[in-house]
Formats: sequence, structure tokens, C-alpha cells
Amino acid sequence: QVQLQQSGAELVKPGTSVKLSCKASGYTFTSNHMNWIKQTTGQGLEWIGIINPGSGGTSYNVKFKGKATLTVDKSSSTAFMQLSSLTPEDSAVYYCARLLQSSYVMDAWGQGASVTVSS
Amino acid sequence: QITLTQQAESLWVSPGEKVSITCRASQSLLYTDGKHYLSWYQQRPGQTTKALIYHASIRTDGVPTRFIGSGSGTEFTLSIEDVQPEDIALYYCLQTLKKPWTFGGGTKLELK
Repeated sequence: QVQLQQSGAELVKPGTSVKLSCKASGYTFTSNHMNWIKQTTGQGLEWIGIINPGSGGTSYNVKFKGKATLTVDKSSSTAFMQLSSLTPEDSAVYYCARLLQSSYVMDAWGQGASVTVSS
Repeated sequence: QITLTQQAESLWVSPGEKVSITCRASQSLLYTDGKHYLSWYQQRPGQTTKALIYHASIRTDGVPTRFIGSGSGTEFTLSIEDVQPEDIALYYCLQTLKKPWTFGGGTKLELK
């Protein structure tokens, strides 16, 4: 079955960067685009961006341009999101979610990775 | 960007009842292919987020028939008939018509 296994919780200092991973299994990794989503109590769910694992092509929410960088490693079927210049406002749970291009539904989600930015 | 408004932050329901969750979009989610790019998701503690409905009214594989999506244009509803205890969760709508894709604020279903 389709599974997206995300990396664990991170506690990081302001001004630093963090790289989250999302390992896909149960399907052909390059067949489906991968989304990244931010969840906070105050802002709810926010779409960060999407990457085509086959081509590496990306599309970002303008709000997260310069903050998030999406990449993939096809050899390990893993998607990555690097968050840079972290501030406390970046503290959140981050999800990866597979997109079914035929219906534009996010049909499989990772379990989420908590990022806490604190000195 | 398109704003999705889920008016109710919380809804209280008893098992066996029917409940409706609404999602209003700031512009029509109808594309030229005749489909609405509106989907619904369920978040339960300790479980991965689950897609329930896409194109406003089509259930994803394995979703029980008590989950019914309806609506068109800018007004959409997720109805749950004969609510079960396992339906107590957070529900979100999502539009994938126009980037940046946006979510509704969420509706928490709680037991009376």
C-alpha cells in the first residue's frame, strides 16, 4: 500500500535551516507529484508547494518562496523540504502529501513532522 | 488567492445523527472541464490525514457511503449520515483550481 514516511521531530535554533524528508513506498515515486503542507493552530493548513519527482520541477506558494526549497532523490524515492532562516513563526507540523493528477486530490499523506524553532 | 470559509469551527453531534459541514469559496471552483476542484479531508488524532471526497462529490476508494459531498460553484457541503464515533475528527476542504491552493479553516466534529 502507498506509504509516506516522514522524518522525526526537530528542535532548531532561530536563523538556522532544517531539512525534512518524506520517503515514499508502495508506488512508482516519479508517477505522482508531491505536495508539502504546513499546519499550525493559528493558521490552519497552508499549501507550501509541489514538486514533480520525475523532472524536479517545482511550484511554490509565493508566501513560502525563499523559505522552502523542495527537492527529491529518485534513487531512494524520497522527497525533501529545506526550510531556511528559521524563525519561531516557522514552528509547525509539516506534511508531505501525494497528488493524484487525474483528480487533483491529495490521496496519501505522511504522518507529519514537528518543527520547533526556539533558542 | 481563493479563500475557503468553513463557517463552523465546531459542530456537536450524537451518534446516529446526520451532520453537514459547509465550505464557501471566494470564487467559483468550476473548471472548463465541468469539474469542481474541491476536495474534503479528515484528520483524526494518531492517524494520517485521509482524503474523503474529490471533485466535490466523488468518494475516494474505501470511504463509507455515509460520507456525501455536494455543492457547486462556490458553495459546498460534506454531509455525514448516521455519524459513527470514529467520525469524530477535524474536517477540511481544499481547492486545487488555482494556485496557491488553499484550505478551509477546518471544522471540528465533537460528540454531544
